[in-house]
Amino acid sequence: AQSVTQLDSQVPVFEEAPVELRCNYSSSVSVYLFWYVQYPNQGLQLLLKYLSGSTLVKGINGFEAEFNKSQTSFHLRKPSVHISDTAEYFCAVKQMRGGSEKLVFGKGTKLTVNP
Amino acid sequence: GAGVSQSPSNKVTEKGKDVELRCDPISGHTALYWYRQSLGQGLEFLIYFQGNSAPDKSGLPSDRFSAERTGGSVSTLTIQRTQQEDSAVYLCASYSGRGDNYGYTFGSGTRLTVV
Repeated sequence: AQSVTQLDSQVPVFEEAPVELRCNYSSSVSVYLFWYVQYPNQGLQLLLKYLSGSTLVKGINGFEAEFNKSQTSFHLRKPSVHISDTAEYFCAVKQMRGGSEKLVFGKGTKLTVNP
Repeated sequence: GAGVSQSPSNKVTEKGKDVELRCDPISGHTALYWYRQSLGQGLEFLIYFQGNSAPDKSGLPSDRFSAERTGGSVSTLTIQRTQQEDSAVYLCASYSGRGDNYGYTFGSGTRLTVV
């Protein structure tokens, strides 16, 4: 079965600093990868997705991620964060197995942006 | 509708009572998913529907949990004889496999508190 590891449970940064949130997935023939953001007391909002093609994926709110097949990674980056980016971020992989298709999530990374 | 709608947004129930959670997916989306989010457990898959059938119910925690989907649209998740460990946020997602809309759109969730 597919699995996702988010290496950092919490990441504190200062406003306007760059940030990288790390995500590794278990290897598979075809990989569909997603990053979601969850603001307090809200549902999950899609930031970006990788389905195929260019390994650098640009998403909303200035975020981007790079798919690296050899390292089985899909790290999320932003060159300059804002206070409003404080939220929890989830990496997910689409698992297709035994006639079932579903998203498998990492445990999340809480990003705190300090002034 | 424009997004995935879940109701109620909050539900407080007494231990032992039954509850029904509702999800109204995006029109035209083929599949519907239920996830549970609780402290320390991350996002757990519960069940998903393709049309009105459920190819994968493997995530339902016990036989107190059931779900149905009618008309390829609205789904209800029912928890019978609720227990305190059922307290969590229940998230619904609808899935589109088409073009730029490919992916999973989540609702805002139902926060269930069992007292």
